[in-house]
Amino acid sequence: LAKTTQPISMDSYEGQEVNITCSHNNIATNDYITWYQQFPSQGPRFIIQGYKTKVTNEVASLFIPADRKSSTLSLPRVSLSDTAVYYCLVGDGLDTGRRALTFGSGTRLQVQP
Amino acid sequence: DAGVTQSPTHLIKTRGQQVTLRCSPKSGHDTVSWYQQALGQGPQFIFQYYEEEERQRGNFPDRFSGHQFPNYSSELNVNALLLGDSALYLCASSSGVTGNTIYFGEGSWLTVV
Repeated sequence: LAKTTQPISMDSYEGQEVNITCSHNNIATNDYITWYQQFPSQGPRFIIQGYKTKVTNEVASLFIPADRKSSTLSLPRVSLSDTAVYYCLVGDGLDTGRRALTFGSGTRLQVQP
Repeated sequence: DAGVTQSPTHLIKTRGQQVTLRCSPKSGHDTVSWYQQALGQGPQFIFQYYEEEERQRGNFPDRFSGHQFPNYSSELNVNALLLGDSALYLCASSSGVTGNTIYFGEGSWLTVV
């Protein structure tokens, strides 16, 4: 399994854009990159997934350079409710609903007013 | 459409006892995975069930066992509880369709005293 490295914590203020970078130097050719968000006392929630270049949805954007050895989750104009732990995961093989997810320790984002 | 539901939400057990946690997957999903999340850590994969059989297993002892029923719901059983089993137990629901998103329940908090 490709190992991921991401900052332990980040601080931001409401209205700012937050970029969380994840390193995954050993990513395999058919691995996808997925980000989850977890609020205290809740299960992780899928945010975004990508393979290469840029993916955008209503919540976030995911930037993946050509070498795919890193990725950046971008949260536009964060609010207090974006305070959570964000996990970067790299898939083991094809992206199917039956893969066992490997979580690291995540990045704890604290948004201040 | 109900999401992933877990019960109970909180429970306290004594060392040496046994516990059973329950999970109902999201409608249309046939695969249930269980994760253990210790305080301050990312979730760790325990095992996965589909077609009523254990299909994948993480690095957990045999004290951890499970079952899947014909309606796709699942149970996680832990025998001979240890203090270190205190954690949030998460159920994840999915299907075998390529690219299918994995959904988590809100978890069951187990405290072993």
